[in-house]
Amino acid sequence: NAGVTQTPKFQVLKTGQSMTLQCAQDMNHNSMYWYRQDPGMGLRLIYYSASEGTTDKGEVPNGYNVSRLNKREFSLRLESAAPSQTSVYFCASAIESTDTQYFGPGTRLTVL
Amino acid sequence: EDQVTQSPEALRLQEGESSSLNCSYTVSGLRGLFWYRQDPGKGPEFLFTLYSAGEEKEKERLKATLTKKESFLHITAPKPEDSATYLCAVQAWWDNAGNMLTFGGGTRLMVKP
Repeated sequence: NAGVTQTPKFQVLKTGQSMTLQCAQDMNHNSMYWYRQDPGMGLRLIYYSASEGTTDKGEVPNGYNVSRLNKREFSLRLESAAPSQTSVYFCASAIESTDTQYFGPGTRLTVL
Repeated sequence: EDQVTQSPEALRLQEGESSSLNCSYTVSGLRGLFWYRQDPGKGPEFLFTLYSAGEEKEKERLKATLTKKESFLHITAPKPEDSATYLCAVQAWWDNAGNMLTFGGGTRLMVKP
């Protein structure tokens, strides 16, 4: 039981490049989330998926898109990366949206 | 708008020196208050959920308490391995945004041997 896994662990991009961050959970959770963590800003919600087949915007969705591929997987895409998207990205999952969220190990992204 | 403020930002303790971390919050109807521990370079690790004022939960040297305006994380006789950043988050009843968590900035705890 690996919990929540994220790939890659580290990534460096140039401005304008695109990439997809992958997240998978093996806990049979219905809800999944993407957060970013920046110094002095705390963790902020980018997008979430309350259940398979649905996605919604969180607090800071601009510049990102998501796909809930199936119940296990929830990906985050940066179409045209900007330096302001340099951050640590965390994926989380919960049994239902009202339940405790469990976090993955994070992806550290640098955009030059 | 939900707000969470944690204090102090950083806390240095000697091993065995007990202390408390504070989490003050404003929320339109608290559904739950969550405490997480985060080690450097890792994701937040769930510690506790508190649902109503007066509730307390314990785990090893940690004890979390909740009032209508704040929560405390009491650390009794800490050890160096308790060094980490402790995060507090609230979840509101009214929120239809996936019951999102609003996080505080965290308290970085350092325990010296």
